[in-house]
Amino acid sequence: GQNIDQPTEMTATEGAIVQINCTYQTSGFNGLFWYQQHAGEAPTFLSYNVLDGLEEKGRFSSFLSRSKGYSYLLLKELQMKDSASYLCAVRDSNYQLIWGAGTKLIIKP
Amino acid sequence: ETGVTQTPRHLVMGMTNKKSLKCEQHLGHNAMYWYKQSAKKPLELMFVYSLEERVENNSVPSRFSPECPNSSHLFLHLHTLQPEDSALYLCASSQDGAEAYNEQFFGPGTRLTVL
Repeated sequence: GQNIDQPTEMTATEGAIVQINCTYQTSGFNGLFWYQQHAGEAPTFLSYNVLDGLEEKGRFSSFLSRSKGYSYLLLKELQMKDSASYLCAVRDSNYQLIWGAGTKLIIKP
Repeated sequence: ETGVTQTPRHLVMGMTNKKSLKCEQHLGHNAMYWYKQSAKKPLELMFVYSLEERVENNSVPSRFSPECPNSSHLFLHLHTLQPEDSALYLCASSQDGAEAYNEQFFGPGTRLTVL
């Protein structure tokens, strides 16, 4: 079966750095996505990785290791508005997205 | 504004009711999706329409019926639902094609409660 694993919940402090991990086992791999979802709102796209390595976009970075079936989302200089759920999704060999259950990130002052 | 709208935003219905959810995308995309999002569970893909061809998840009960009259509109018709169908129903669209980088844009969702 296909599976995406990520922690259910994480807590971090405003101004700090947090890393949210995602491991996957899928039938084929055609890219990995990270989405942010604030409570009661639509998921919004954060990043996309298809090759190994780090993609940096402002305060957010995403890393991929295809051989390990592993990715992480790194959030720097945390702000209160970063409190949200972060969803990891992998595009499989059929180009369909397989989703993780999401990691709820709580930012404390 | 994500360019994908959904109505209604909230819906309460009894198990014997018939209702429809509507989704419209203004992004010129050619693929549309229905997802079910339950608390602490992964997004469940229900239906996909790509280039006007329907790809169906076989585990979706027949009490959910999709309709895609054109590439901009998507409906989900609901009838004789069960309380466990209560969830957030999200619509999304993307530009389908040979490129793997086809980001999905989501609507705000319909919060459905079945009594």
